Amino acid sequence: QVQLHQWGAGLLRPSETLSLTCDISRGSFSGYYWSWIRQPPGKGLEWIGEISQSGGTKYNLSLMSRVSISADTSRNQFSLQLSSVTAADTAVYYCARGGQWQDYWSQGTLVTVSA
Amino acid sequence: DIVMTQTPLSSPVTLGQPASISCRSSQSLVHSDGNTYLAWLHQRPGQPPRLLIYKISNRFSGVPDRFSGYGARTDFTLTISRVEAEDVGTYYCMQATQFPYTFGPGTKLEIK
Repeated sequence: QVQLHQWGAGLLRPSETLSLTCDISRGSFSGYYWSWIRQPPGKGLEWIGEISQSGGTKYNLSLMSRVSISADTSRNQFSLQLSSVTAADTAVYYCARGGQWQDYWSQGTLVTVSA
Repeated sequence: DIVMTQTPLSSPVTLGQPASISCRSSQSLVHSDGNTYLAWLHQRPGQPPRLLIYKISNRFSGVPDRFSGYGARTDFTLTISRVEAEDVGTYYCMQATQFPYTFGPGTKLEIK
């Protein structure tokens, strides 16, 4: 079955840019939407955005000025960038397959923003 | 944004007994394409969420048939016919009819 493995810096200082990459194995980027979702420690889930197989993107308006999702189809990967981070961006970040429902999820990466 | 609410927020249940979680949306989740994009996810502590149900009532592959979903427009329910120990954790409903997609606050299921 599809496996998603993500990586990126786990500790950032305020104002830096969060950058995470999600690698898709045992599956293909094409034919699906791919999502990023985050979860602050001890709290609920927040949808960040998605990218389609054609590269079209949708973002949560609350993050829209800071967020970018891109894909490298040749590597079967997609990425998240979130600029000008603050402590409020501290969360576990998940990548997942699917747009309107997410059927496969990564294990998640805890990203902590601290001075 | 569509606001999702869930009741109860915490549910102590007895093993082998049924459990039910309600989810309500601030507006109809019927999409212009005729589908209703309401999903249910389950998250155990320290684990990523996993998909249980999509489009109100469709069980994802491998999900036991003791899980079922139903509802329409703004009111939805997830039921577990007989709770097992592995069902503990937090259950979220999620709407994907309108951007931004939004989640309910979660219902924590624990064993009495």
